[in-house]
Amino acid sequence: DSGVTQTPKHLITATGQRVTLRCSPRSGDLSVYWYQQSLDQGLQFLIQYYNGEERAKGNILERFSAQQFPDLHSELNLSSLELGDSALYFCASGGQPRSGYTFGSGTRLTVV
Amino acid sequence: GQSLEQPSEVTAVEGAIVQINCTYQTSGFYGLSWYQQHDGGAPTFLSYNALDGLEETGRFSSFLSRSDSYGYLLLQELQMKDSASYFCAVRRGNQGGKLIFGQGTELSVKP
Repeated sequence: DSGVTQTPKHLITATGQRVTLRCSPRSGDLSVYWYQQSLDQGLQFLIQYYNGEERAKGNILERFSAQQFPDLHSELNLSSLELGDSALYFCASGGQPRSGYTFGSGTRLTVV
Repeated sequence: GQSLEQPSEVTAVEGAIVQINCTYQTSGFYGLSWYQQHDGGAPTFLSYNALDGLEETGRFSSFLSRSDSYGYLLLQELQMKDSASYFCAVRRGNQGGKLIFGQGTELSVKP
């Protein structure tokens, strides 16, 4: 157990629907990062939050949004889902250079 | 923009040494990290280089040349369990900066 908790582990939904992915960072970590990994691809940075505020944005679609709550957990909302949104979605926390990010086990989203 | 290039796959035999190269183009470079990922599992941190030179952690070493925008991960005494994908990642920003990942190198270790 890395200390970063992601739920659900698996999600199957239909095109056009909306889903929410949840992440609880490791205790003491203020930063949360969201990444998308499509089949056999690298990790694409989506968005970063630090202590409740958006810190950096990557190639996140307008259909996607995120927030970080006062208890530091974060949610990634994906709407108007398309087949191409099927991917692994990872959350990570931490980010001290010499200890790196700690990743959660991911949410596997399948859009049918 | 930013880009990282690494070989898509590498094959080696148990007990051997393998080197996975990474070249990058980015602005705001703070360091190069390496991560390991087994079969869609959580990526795990291996090493970080902020300055030129070699960093050693057990069987794994990582090297950085900032002037060449180049780094590599060296794995020694390969074991079957080292079969995984390895990602280099550029750190943009110092404390808590975001990471930009390469496409990954799939390492297959054969007996």
